Amino acid sequence: GAGVSQSPSNKVTEKGKDVELRCDPISGHTALYWYRQSLGQGLEFLIYFQGNSAPDKSGLPSDRFSAERTGGSVSTLTIQRTQQEDSAVYLCASSLGRGVGQETQYFGPGTRLLVL
Amino acid sequence: GESVGLHLPTLSVQEGDNSIINCAYSNSASDYFIWYKQESGKGPQFIIDIRSNMDKRQGQRVTVLLNKTVKHLSLQIAATQPGDSAVYFCAEKYSGGGADGLTFGKGTHLIIQP
Repeated sequence: GAGVSQSPSNKVTEKGKDVELRCDPISGHTALYWYRQSLGQGLEFLIYFQGNSAPDKSGLPSDRFSAERTGGSVSTLTIQRTQQEDSAVYLCASSLGRGVGQETQYFGPGTRLLVL
Repeated sequence: GESVGLHLPTLSVQEGDNSIINCAYSNSASDYFIWYKQESGKGPQFIIDIRSNMDKRQGQRVTVLLNKTVKHLSLQIAATQPGDSAVYFCAEKYSGGGADGLTFGKGTHLIIQP
């Protein structure tokens, strides 16, 4: 079946501009996660959505970062007033849920963001 | 903060040999562990996971071992193939609270020599 999809695959923007990154989770998955991967680094958790519950925003690095999930499916990560240090690969993952046996996270291909 | 780390950044093995990738974790409360494979330009691909009530779990050509006493996780890949060349990440999670995301290590680059 279809996996997690993300768009765009690549994004080049100028410092100070806003960007929106989109994630389409696996159909039927209620949990959705955003991570950031800087060059040669591991993944850094950003935000988590579970169904209609309030999101876990504990990983967002600053108030320039925000995310929403409409209708419990598609999610958009927005970065306002981008900075050069925001350059990274932004990865989205989804899982069936949060409970035991449901927590395996499946990742999309990522969006490579370059801020000039 | 607590994090998951790796012992070696690069591991080179001969094609056909077995490989072992190690990982140390620091949060003794973590109860879920997972290994991912990431090829260049792609997202992480799920390999195998294990919960803390187990110490070993096997998949196709892969085995994960968990030693909670020393907080150590390893991934064994049998009869390595060229397609196994990638960066391998271990990750941990505590299901009982705290952040809902996985905590990742920095990765081990596995190189398969012909």
